[in-house]
Amino acid sequence: DQQVKQNSPSLSVQEGRISILNCDYTNSMFDYFLWYKKYPAEGPTFLISISSIKDKNEDGRFTVFLNKSAKHLSLHIVPSQPGDSAVYFCAAGPSGGYNKLIFGAGTRLAVHP
Amino acid sequence: DAMVIQNPRYQVTQFGKPVTLSCSQTLNHNVMYWYQQKSSQAPKLLFHYYDKDFNNEADTPDNFQSRRPNTSFCFLDIRSPGLGDTAMYLCATSNGQGRYEQYFGPGTRLTVT
Repeated sequence: DQQVKQNSPSLSVQEGRISILNCDYTNSMFDYFLWYKKYPAEGPTFLISISSIKDKNEDGRFTVFLNKSAKHLSLHIVPSQPGDSAVYFCAAGPSGGYNKLIFGAGTRLAVHP
Repeated sequence: DAMVIQNPRYQVTQFGKPVTLSCSQTLNHNVMYWYQQKSSQAPKLLFHYYDKDFNNEADTPDNFQSRRPNTSFCFLDIRSPGLGDTAMYLCATSNGQGRYEQYFGPGTRLTVT
């Protein structure tokens, strides 16, 4: 039973345009959401997060939006750069369970010139 | 730089031959995690340690064991690897102080032949 789903396995975007990566979740008890970025032969690195009490968090070119009623979050990257090409994982943490994260299967982003 | 280190990066073992994967951290974090990630799938939590307290996931096979002899080191032992245990094994840490962010090592790619 996948509690966190990333339905698009891959996304291709032109350099300079916006990349939008999507994530859906099923458990309303999730309290915190994170995005990780993974390059080949490296471990995932933390990118940006959002608490369930917010609907938007911004960090430079990266913005995460949370729609709790739809149980949906998205990561926007503007403008996209070739160095953003990586696999992006969405993760969710249950309320009071800060020791655990549930991950999605990832979306592979390719930013081409 | 503070980091999470995993050794070896690549490991090939024979069916049924025990194998141990190693993780060390210089972040002085309380919590250490082991994840299994199969191709194009989400990282799946196997277990974690909060200090010396071991927390096993309900669906982690008995074949998988872990040891944490001190704050810095954590080991994953696979007692009798099967072909289905071929995967990337990721170690991660977090400070356990109400923060969700986890910090990952580069992973060990295990192949069982």
